[in-house]
Amino acid sequence: DTAVSQTPKYLVTQMGNDKSIKCEQNLGHDTMYWYKQDSKKFLKIMFSYNNKELIINETVPNRFSPKSPDKAHLNLHINSLELGDSAVYFCASSLWTSGSHEQYFGPGTRLTVT
Amino acid sequence: GDSVTQMEGPVTLSEEAFLTINCTYTATGYPSLFWYVQYPGEGLQLLLKATKADDKGSNKGFEATYRKETTSFHLEKGSVQVSDSAVYFCALRRGGTSYDKVIFGPGTSLSVIP
Repeated sequence: DTAVSQTPKYLVTQMGNDKSIKCEQNLGHDTMYWYKQDSKKFLKIMFSYNNKELIINETVPNRFSPKSPDKAHLNLHINSLELGDSAVYFCASSLWTSGSHEQYFGPGTRLTVT
Repeated sequence: GDSVTQMEGPVTLSEEAFLTINCTYTATGYPSLFWYVQYPGEGLQLLLKATKADDKGSNKGFEATYRKETTSFHLEKGSVQVSDSAVYFCALRRGGTSYDKVIFGPGTSLSVIP
């Protein structure tokens, strides 16, 4: 009965590779997010989708491309990985129409680029 | 722009000590305020929230009061336990119905020792 799940949990890859992280939520939420957390725990929003429509797109390199095939899924594809992409990536979801704006986070994907 | 400032960590306390983690914010209008907690190896989860001035959010023995006059939302707990060891994030979201992001503070790491 996992609410927000991410795969994989750990991802180790070399510079220059392309990788994807998948996220699924079974809460019936209409809004999903990708965050990047650096080694100092600082959390930065990257993207947000509402009903499959991109609504927040922060200053993120073009190498990062989100895709939302439906309301329950939000994937993140990263091209030409760089050392600085090493971080923990969190997916989150919320129900915008509820008005509470509480976000539910997944367990994170720890990406290590060598 | 909107921002959240938290006291720097790490904070180390003995079990049963009193906890205060300071949080101040800068925002236009009347934002909603949140405290999220991140336990080791996990994603963030909502601890408590307040949506208007003088509201007090509370959960699991933690409390925070929305003080508009001092633009603060300090987190307090009367007697901490080892299990409270985590990173605590103060956050805000501007009011209104537009699609807007949640702004997180830098996080404060808390270690409680027996």
